[in-house]
Amino acid sequence: AQSVTQPDIHITVSEGASLELRCNYSYGATPYLFWYVQSPGQGLQLLLKYFSGDTLVQGIKGFEAEFKRSQSSFNLRKPSVHWSDAAEYFCAVGRARGGSYIPTFGRGTSLIVHP
Amino acid sequence: GAVVSQHPSRVICKSGTSVKIECRSLDFQATTMFWYRQFPKQSLMLMATSNEGSKATYEQGVEKDKFLINHASLTLSTLTVTSAHPEDSSFYICSARVKGNYEQYFGPGTRLTVT
Repeated sequence: AQSVTQPDIHITVSEGASLELRCNYSYGATPYLFWYVQSPGQGLQLLLKYFSGDTLVQGIKGFEAEFKRSQSSFNLRKPSVHWSDAAEYFCAVGRARGGSYIPTFGRGTSLIVHP
Repeated sequence: GAVVSQHPSRVICKSGTSVKIECRSLDFQATTMFWYRQFPKQSLMLMATSNEGSKATYEQGVEKDKFLINHASLTLSTLTVTSAHPEDSSFYICSARVKGNYEQYFGPGTRLTVT
């Protein structure tokens, strides 16, 4: 069965500092990997995804993530955090079903940004 | 584009009553809709998948007689929590996708409190 571990419940960074959110997954085959952001009152928004190919994936809002098969990791990074990045971040691994994917989500990491 | 709405955003109901939550795709036709449940500080758990005009497919452990899902049109799916109990209190999130597109678009969620 697939699973996702986000070891950090909370991460606090200063505005302008770099960010890395950790994600480890367990999946038997080549995984579909995703990062989502959840802001209060808004739906989950897809930041980026990895299906295959280049292991460094660029996403929206200046985020990137690197797929490392040997470490079963898909960490999210941003070189300079903005106050508006404060939100809940979810890593997910997807299994294909009926033309779409069924994501298994991690428990999320809450990002706090200090001015 | 690709906006999904949910109504209501918050609902409080008494134990034993039923409550209906609506999920609408505002600017696209959703051939498939998904319903998730999110517990505080935990990840989203997929409850069921519904295709327009078909019966929903429920995940293991989800009571289909308690959580009634109807996907009557390409823009509307409803989740009815029947005979609600306090343990049904949770955050319910829907998502929708277009046929031929793997991506799911998420609604903002509905907070259900059963007293």
